Amino acid sequence: AQSVSQHNHHVILSEAASLELGCNYSYGGTVNLFWYVQYPGQHLQLLLKYFSGDPLVKGIKGFEAEFIKSKFSFNLRKPSVQWSDTAEYFCAVNPDNAGNMLTFGGGTRLMVKP
Amino acid sequence: EAQVTQNPRYLITVTGKKLTVTCSQNMNHEYMSWYRQDPGLGLRQIYYSMNVEVTDKGDVPEGYKVSRKEKRNFPLILESPSPNQTSLYFCASRKTGGGGKNIQYFGAGTRLSVL
Repeated sequence: AQSVSQHNHHVILSEAASLELGCNYSYGGTVNLFWYVQYPGQHLQLLLKYFSGDPLVKGIKGFEAEFIKSKFSFNLRKPSVQWSDTAEYFCAVNPDNAGNMLTFGGGTRLMVKP
Repeated sequence: EAQVTQNPRYLITVTGKKLTVTCSQNMNHEYMSWYRQDPGLGLRQIYYSMNVEVTDKGDVPEGYKVSRKEKRNFPLILESPSPNQTSLYFCASRKTGGGGKNIQYFGAGTRLSVL
């Protein structure tokens, strides 16, 4: 069965530090990739997505992610985090032939210290 | 404003007492889905619906029922809740056609505690 792995469950950073959250998936075919963010007490919001083309995608709030097909990875990055980035981040994968099925990773809880 | 609305936002109940969590979307989306979110496990899909009167099991359907009598509504029913169903529940919707490229929109969540 396809799985999505986020190896870091909890990350604590100071403001202005750089961020990289890992996401690996097990599906071997063409995939659509997403990162969602959930701020405390709120619903999930789309941060960025990758379908095809340039493997480096830019999302909202200065986030970007890089799709590396050979590594089955879609890591999320931000050069300089802010306190307001404190949230839980979810990677999600949809195989291109799986219709609407979306599989989520376990989430990474990020805390940014002011 | 495009949105997915869940009610209630918070619910405490006792084992065995039937409950329903409502979900409504105003975007005319065909596809609707329920997830539960548990620490370290991310979001796991409970049930989904491709359209009116079309529902199917997700990854963790045991103990849950759904119905899709109207396009905009997709209620989640717990006939006999148990403590292991204590969780945070999210409803989501998206358009079909375009496969996984359509963005999924989430409700604000329902935090359920079963005592």
